[in-house]
Amino acid sequence: AQSVAQPEDQVNVAEGNPLTVKCTYSVSGNPYLFWYVQYPNRGLQFLLKYITGDNLVKGSYGFEAEFNKSQTSFHLKKPSALVSDSALYFCAVRDKSTGKLIFGQGTTLQVKP
Amino acid sequence: DTGVSQDPRHKITKRGQNVTFRCDPISEHNRLYWYRQTLGQGPEFLTYFQNEAQLEKSRLLSDRFSAERPKGSFSTLEIQRTEQGDSAMYLCASSLELDSDQPQHFGDGTRLSIL
Repeated sequence: AQSVAQPEDQVNVAEGNPLTVKCTYSVSGNPYLFWYVQYPNRGLQFLLKYITGDNLVKGSYGFEAEFNKSQTSFHLKKPSALVSDSALYFCAVRDKSTGKLIFGQGTTLQVKP
Repeated sequence: DTGVSQDPRHKITKRGQNVTFRCDPISEHNRLYWYRQTLGQGPEFLTYFQNEAQLEKSRLLSDRFSAERPKGSFSTLEIQRTEQGDSAMYLCASSLELDSDQPQHFGDGTRLSIL
């Protein structure tokens, strides 16, 4: 069965510092991986995806993610955090036969001024 | 592109009542997904449609739940005889064909509270 794990419930970082939100996956074959962000009482906003190609994927709002096949990881990164980045972040893998997304449990990012 | 629209945004009802939610996907998207998100958890898949055909239902979708997409455009999700455990955010998402590498786009959800 496919699964995604986000080992940290919360990540705290100071504004201006780099941030990393961790994600590991378990799938057979090559994964289709996604990061979404959710603000309070809102739906999920797409940040970036890895389908194939370069292991470093660039996305919206200055975020990037690194696909590491040997470590089965897809960590989200940003060189310099903003207070406005504070939100709930979800990693997901897409089922290739149905397209449904299988999400991790989410990581709350708190960026302090 | 007006995005995915869900209505209502919030629904408060008494246990045992029936509720219906609506989702309007992005117009050119032929795939539509429903997810449920409880507090502190990631969204969980409920069901999906390709055009008007409902192709998969999760075992989370008990027989009190029914979803339709009658003309391949908007979709409705109905919960009959609501229970306390149905309290959650119900999210709708739409996307292009499966072989497209485009992501799913989500609506802002309907938050259901059962009294």
